[in-house]
Amino acid sequence: QQPVQSPQAVILREGEDAVINCSSSKALYSVHWYRQKHGEAPVFLMILLKGGEQKGHEKISASFNEKKQQSSLYLTASQLSYSGTYFCGTDTLGTGGGNKLTFGTGTQLKVEL
Amino acid sequence: DGGITQSPKYLFRKEGQNVTLSCEQNLNHDAMYWYRQDPGQGLRLIYYSQIVNDFQKGDIAEGYSVSREKKESFPLTVTSAQKNPTAFYLCASSLGQYYNEQFFGPGTRLTVL
Repeated sequence: QQPVQSPQAVILREGEDAVINCSSSKALYSVHWYRQKHGEAPVFLMILLKGGEQKGHEKISASFNEKKQQSSLYLTASQLSYSGTYFCGTDTLGTGGGNKLTFGTGTQLKVEL
Repeated sequence: DGGITQSPKYLFRKEGQNVTLSCEQNLNHDAMYWYRQDPGQGLRLIYYSQIVNDFQKGDIAEGYSVSREKKESFPLTVTSAQKNPTAFYLCASSLGQYYNEQFFGPGTRLTVL
């Protein structure tokens, strides 16, 4: 079952902050975040692992609440380059799943001047 | 330069014909994946492979087939059994099986006429 992302779309003025949420109905072992610009391939942002470990870009901030089966991506002081569609991918199988991810339907983010 | 290549970028086929999409990587990654992307539905996993000569079905494998004879290559065949094959297809690879970022290719847009 796909994780649910919210909001579906958001428009920001440059410099504003945003939070994108990802919620799963199953227990999570890890959450992966990607950004895709129109017509391009998704690009990796961050992995959050059960137990608190994180791997990703220094300028990206995110949280992982294992009990609530949720993750949030924090975009601060937004820039025009942040525009795109953000996807969370959830791993509900752990090491037995071979990094099999189920992606949400995406959050469209647009940053304007 | 290391990366993932997909060819062709655009592909047109008549209904009822099988078509094979190419995916090649020179990143020395063990795992490879195929996703389908439709508007508003995010990324859905078709097949994935953790090692050569082994692959598993994803969430929407019906009407598709794959092979993994070489570490570098993971071609996807869209068969005539796939009821609605028109979509954007993305190939990805990752370093290991667990908790590693996935690198995506540029995608192939398939249109069945």
